[in-house]
Amino acid sequence: EADIYQTPRYLVIGTGKKITLECSQTMGHDKMYWYQQDPGMELHLIHYSYGVNSTEKGDLSSESTVSRIRTEHFPLTLESARPSHTSQYLCASSEYSGTVTGELFFGEGSRLTVL
Amino acid sequence: EDQVTQSPEALRLQEGESSSLNCSYTVSGLRGLFWYRQDPGKGPEFLFTLYSAGEEKEKERLKATLTKKESFLHITAPKPEDSATYLCAVQAGSNYQLIWGAGTKLIIKP
Repeated sequence: EADIYQTPRYLVIGTGKKITLECSQTMGHDKMYWYQQDPGMELHLIHYSYGVNSTEKGDLSSESTVSRIRTEHFPLTLESARPSHTSQYLCASSEYSGTVTGELFFGEGSRLTVL
Repeated sequence: EDQVTQSPEALRLQEGESSSLNCSYTVSGLRGLFWYRQDPGKGPEFLFTLYSAGEEKEKERLKATLTKKESFLHITAPKPEDSATYLCAVQAGSNYQLIWGAGTKLIIKP
């Protein structure tokens, strides 16, 4: 069983609110990721980190921001939520194992609904 | 453009009825192909990594195979607990990030 945790699991908020989705892992993994997933669609990478103080934007344009000041913690923040941000957000981590990095450990996800 | 396509979108089988799911890819310089299982309301769970054409991996009722253009996930004598969405992803070229397919929703009826 993977030791990666996301909170909250479900969140319903109004437009314009600031939210932070929390993600923590206890496996000591250097690499962490945030994906966005809509029903029946592919996972899209929105942010990733290769270690402390390292953050990069993924392929999918996102108005969210992330930080990595501790190895185990990788929160995602939306300064002003909009209905278009309604989605499932998945956090994942992996060991640094050279160039092949496909074995990811996922959290259970945070389902965000913006009214 | 690198692309991963999974088919069918959904597959309904009777318990014990064997079948295969397909993942076709068009990428430059495949580094690895990965299969995941995702249950409703949960994050994906890693199943297999395949690195080169001809490679096969097995786990319980599942067997994954790889050619130069596609991968198959064969499921033998499935049980209702095998019901889930199966996702395929590839890593290619100098891009370390994964390219994901949209998944196949597998439903096994008792």
